[in-house]
Amino acid sequence: QQPVQSPQAVILREGEDAVINCSSSKALYSVHWYRQKHGEAPVFLMILLKGGEQKGHDKISASFNEKKQQSSLYLTASQLSYSGTYFCGTESKGYSSASKIIFGSGTRLSIRP
Amino acid sequence: NAGVTQTPKFQVLKTGQSMTLQCAQDMNHNSMYWYRQDPGMGLRLIYYSASEGTTDKGEVPNGYNVSRLNKREFSLRLESAAPSQTSVYFCASSPADTQYFGPGTRLTVL
Repeated sequence: QQPVQSPQAVILREGEDAVINCSSSKALYSVHWYRQKHGEAPVFLMILLKGGEQKGHDKISASFNEKKQQSSLYLTASQLSYSGTYFCGTESKGYSSASKIIFGSGTRLSIRP
Repeated sequence: NAGVTQTPKFQVLKTGQSMTLQCAQDMNHNSMYWYRQDPGMGLRLIYYSASEGTTDKGEVPNGYNVSRLNKREFSLRLESAAPSQTSVYFCASSPADTQYFGPGTRLTVL
């Protein structure tokens, strides 16, 4: 099943903070976060593995609550370059050695000067 | 390194025509994937390949076939294109967990 992302869209002024949530109905092995700018391919941001970890990447960080099957992406002091659509992808490890990721429908983030 | 390359970049087909989308990666990754992305939507997994010689169905495999020709190349074939297959198709490769995406093929079926 596809993970559910919220909100669907966010409009911020430069310097404001945002939180994007991702939840799944299935037990998760990992959560992946990607950003896609208009007309471009998705770009990897970070991966969080089973174990309830939290990660950071510049002013973008994320948490993963394994028990609640939820992840949140935190963008602090947003910059114009943060604009784009953010996708979470969830993985429930199966028999295959490939990382089979199911993506949510995305959260569109717009940053205004 | 070119990373992940896809050809063609754009394609217009008539209903019922067939075509093959090509994908190649030069990063020596074992796993490769095909996704489709409809306007305003997320990525949906069509097929994937954990290694050379193996392929598995994803979320939306109907109407598609794939071939993992060798470690570098993973092609997607539409045998009889339908308007519902109008989409942007992304190929990706992965060494383990992180996926690296190609630039995409924009396909329109009339």
